[in-house]
Parts: sequence; structure tokens; C-alpha cells
Amino acid sequence: GQNIDQPTEMTATEGAIVQINCTYQTSGFNGLFWYQQHAGEAPTFLSYNVLDGLEEKGRFSSFLSRSKGYSYLLLKELQMKDSASYLCAVLDSNYQLIWGAGTKLIIKP
Amino acid sequence: ETGVTQTPRHLVMGMTNKKSLKCEQHLGHNAMYWYKQSAKKPLELMFVYNFKEQTENNSVPSRFSPECPNSSHLFLHLHTLQPEDSALYLCASSQGGDAGELFFGEGSRLTVL
Repeated sequence: GQNIDQPTEMTATEGAIVQINCTYQTSGFNGLFWYQQHAGEAPTFLSYNVLDGLEEKGRFSSFLSRSKGYSYLLLKELQMKDSASYLCAVLDSNYQLIWGAGTKLIIKP
Repeated sequence: ETGVTQTPRHLVMGMTNKKSLKCEQHLGHNAMYWYKQSAKKPLELMFVYNFKEQTENNSVPSRFSPECPNSSHLFLHLHTLQPEDSALYLCASSQGGDAGELFFGEGSRLTVL
């Protein structure tokens, strides 16, 4: 079966750095997405990785290792507004999106 | 503002009621999706429409009936639901039908009594 694993919940301190991991086992691979979802709001696109390596976008970076079936989302200089759920999703060989259950990130002052 | 609008935002219904959820996208996209989001579970894809044609039905019970009259509008008709159908129902759109970057609405929170 296809599976995406990510931690259920993480806590970090304002101003610090946090890394949210995502591991996947899927039928093929056509890219990995990260979405951010604030409570009561729509998920919004953060990043897309299809090649190995690190993609940086401001305070957020996303890393992919296809050989290890592994990705992480790195958030720097954490702000209170970063408190949200972070969803990892993989596009499989049939271009179906396989979703993780999401990681709830709690930022403390 | 994501360009995808869902109504109503909240809905409470009895098991014998009939109601509908509405989604409208203002992005000019060709594909629209219904997802079910339950607490601490992955998003569950329910239906996909590409150029108004249904291309995906993930074994969804017949008490959920989708309708896509044009590329900008999507409905989910609800009939004789069960309490376990209580969830957040998210509509999304994308430029093409192969998922890719999705633009989500804020969802309709459904409670079935």
C-alpha cells in the first residue's frame, strides 16, 4: 500500500528553527508537496520538490531525497503565525496525490 | 483569498435531510476536486472533475452525489448521511487534471446529528 508518515504534533519556540520530516512509500513518484493549513482555513501551497536537494523560499526550505523516500520542511526564525498544520503529499505514478495526516506545529513565546 | 469560495461554511443536518455544498473557483482552472478532511487523518479524495467530466470517484457512498455544471462550479449533494460523515469538506481546483498545485477553499464544516 501507499503510505506517508509525518509526526502528529511538534512544539517549537518563537525565533528558533524547526524541521518537520516526511517519509513516503508510494507507487512511483512525480513530486512532493508541502501545504500549510491554519486552523479553520484553507490549505495553501508552500513548496514542490521533484529533484533531490534543497529548495529555499524565504524562511521556509524544503528538502527531498528520492532514494531515501524522505523530505523535510525547515522553518527558520519562527513566528507565532507559523502555528499551523503542515501537510506532506506525494504525486504517485498515476498522478494521484497521496496525503500524510499532517503535523500540527505549536509555537510558544 | 485563494480564489476558491465554498458555501455554507458550517452546516448541521439530520440523517434524513437533503442539503448541498457549493464551490466556486475564480481562477480559470479546468479541474475541481472534493476532499473529506477528518481530524488526524489524511485528506481523502472523493471526486475529481476535469473539464466538467467526472474522472475520479473513490468508492464514495451514493449518499454523496457530485454535480459539475461548468468548470467554475462544483456541488456536493448530501442525502441520508450518517454521523460518521461529519467532517470538513474541502473543495479544490487546479489548472490541469493531474493534481499538481491545488488551490483550496476554506471548507464546509458538516455535522450530522
